[in-house]
Amino acid sequence: ILNVEQSPQSLHVQEGDSTNFTCSFPSSNFYALHWYRWETAKSPEALFVMTLNGDEKKKGRISATLNTKEGYSYLYIKGSQPEDSATYLCAFNNGNQFYFGTGTSLTVIP
Amino acid sequence: DSGVTQTPKHLITATGQRVTLRCSPRSGDLSVYWYQQSLDQGLQFLIQYYNGEERAKGNILERFSAQQFPDLHSELNLSSLELGDSALYFCASSSYRGGTEAFFGQGTRLTVV
Repeated sequence: ILNVEQSPQSLHVQEGDSTNFTCSFPSSNFYALHWYRWETAKSPEALFVMTLNGDEKKKGRISATLNTKEGYSYLYIKGSQPEDSATYLCAFNNGNQFYFGTGTSLTVIP
Repeated sequence: DSGVTQTPKHLITATGQRVTLRCSPRSGDLSVYWYQQSLDQGLQFLIQYYNGEERAKGNILERFSAQQFPDLHSELNLSSLELGDSALYFCASSSYRGGTEAFFGQGTRLTVV
């Protein structure tokens, strides 16, 4: 069984706060780490694909870092807005298939 | 729009019945993945096909089966349905076995009554 763990499970922050969550994955057979944003009643939407140790990706106020040697990735949201409310999923990719974590549910309170 | 099409969007059926969910991947994508999301559960990987061949199997029940056709669309067949099979079933596609991001369809909401 391959475990991909995300923490925290849920998070409530005030509008304007910055926040971050963690994805932990196996450090062996690494091919890529994916972050997805999943809004209620919609399908998951890709945010980042990260392949190299030390990778940092940024899209607007959202950024992510990757440490393949220790098996973790952080997702950061700067200045959270209500529209950032969603579940953020990470997926470990061993080159053959994706293994998804259970997600971090973010609620941004106006 | 991700380019991945799933039909139907909603399905209500009785226990013991059989249903078929359909997925059309993005143009050019060879890999198709099926996932199940039950109440309060994350995405559970069911099965993956690559260019018509089964590539990987996850937590797929024996009552469930899938295939990918020459035109690359895929079908997930669920038989002898039970109440616990009620879930959102997602299909995703990617251009390679796993090297690029997967694009998700809108899902099929299955309700077994």
